[in-house]
Amino acid sequence: DGGITQSPKYLFRKEGQNVTLSCEQNLNHDAMYWYRQDPGQGLRLIYYSQIVNDFQKGDIAEGYSVSREKKESFPLTVTSAQKNPTAFYLCASSIGRFTDTQYFGPGTRLTVL
Amino acid sequence: GQQVMQIPQYQHVQEGEDFTTYCNSSTTLSNIQWYKQRPGGHPVFLIQLVKSGEVKKQKRLTFQFGEAKKNSSLHITATQTTDVGTYFCAGSQGGSEKLVFGKGTKLTVNP
Repeated sequence: DGGITQSPKYLFRKEGQNVTLSCEQNLNHDAMYWYRQDPGQGLRLIYYSQIVNDFQKGDIAEGYSVSREKKESFPLTVTSAQKNPTAFYLCASSIGRFTDTQYFGPGTRLTVL
Repeated sequence: GQQVMQIPQYQHVQEGEDFTTYCNSSTTLSNIQWYKQRPGGHPVFLIQLVKSGEVKKQKRLTFQFGEAKKNSSLHITATQTTDVGTYFCAGSQGGSEKLVFGKGTKLTVNP
């Protein structure tokens, strides 16, 4: 089946630890995105990549890092510099442009204790 | 920067009542998209509107794009319990511009 996978679904970490969230797609999409969702805040863009080996900061990139070494993969690292890391993280992909339909993964709920 | 405002934030209806959520932008949009997120789930694409004044229907759902391309609405006729979820609009000023999401309208339906 084609789609986007994110793992794990739930993740717990201690404060001060870096953690990497996985995102893989087999839709052959060029563009991939990371969003953060907090209650009542909608979706906020963290990073996006429209081509392999290139990525751009979104609106709330501070405390996060990404890589795009393969077309299929766009992992997100939540670093210890992120002040409020507890949130629901959603990965998405689209054919190429922002205006194309975005397909979302199931999300990872990160809790930092 | 570009902002997309969505109202209301919450809406509670009795099953069978109609529901509308509104989306307003401070700038002219090249297109607007609507997504639905079920409780505990992820956003799923519903529709995209591109033309000024465009109206599209999907069964009981009617989507409109304003003449000035600065506002949009989603109307659900005779809500059902399966309509429960959060509805997001998302707009972009152009193909290379970021898609900006509204904060969503959370719909609950009492059976």
